[in-house]
Amino acid sequence: EIVMTQSPATLSLSPGETATLSCRASQSVAGYLAWYQQKPGQSPRLLIYGASFRATGIPARFSGSGSGTEFTLTISSLQSEDFGIYYCQQYSNWPPLTFGGGTKVEIK
Amino acid sequence: QLQLQESGPGLVKPSETLSLTCVVSGDSISSPNYNWGWIRQPPGKGLEWIASIHYTGSTYYNPSLKSRVDISLDTSKNQFSLRLTSVTAADTAIYYCAREGVTYYFDNNAYPNNWFDPWGQGTLVTVSS
Repeated sequence: EIVMTQSPATLSLSPGETATLSCRASQSVAGYLAWYQQKPGQSPRLLIYGASFRATGIPARFSGSGSGTEFTLTISSLQSEDFGIYYCQQYSNWPPLTFGGGTKVEIK
Repeated sequence: QLQLQESGPGLVKPSETLSLTCVVSGDSISSPNYNWGWIRQPPGKGLEWIASIHYTGSTYYNPSLKSRVDISLDTSKNQFSLRLTSVTAADTAIYYCAREGVTYYFDNNAYPNNWFDPWGQGTLVTVSS
């Protein structure tokens, strides 16, 4: 099973700042990585697939990068609606499909 | 617009079977381009993939749950279902259904697309006597 590790656990930032979230895989997943956003009381929403491709309707301030075992989600110029929990998911080697533990982006 | 809606009992007794259904509207579950999956999230915790199914009947299970899980679909009703047997308090979670991309195979190479989009709103299932 591929273990996904996200860091930091919590990121405290002010609106307008840039958020940098990390996701590490226990073995290479090539570029087969997705990112999701989950707001309180809501279901997850797909942001990024293929490590760097934005899903439909996702603003350009969200960008993904990386390959192999190291991945980054960058949120430029944080907006109030961007605060929530972000999860990465690998789909390279499965079953099982596995998610990271999440990074909470909170208002400083 | 594609929508998924979970339904089922909100309370299940320990050792009994949890049964959930996901009704799909706005797309056909008989599409060859998608799997249909279940993911769960214990309160305040992270996401765990449970199982997925393709309209051809191919099923995929999380090895950690495989012995207790069954996923099925009903194309006539455009819905798919989950059964989890012998539940304990550890199975208390919000259960989500979602559409999942498939893995394509070409020239002996695999090209996975197994991300989830969109998700249903989720249904909380509590295991308690």
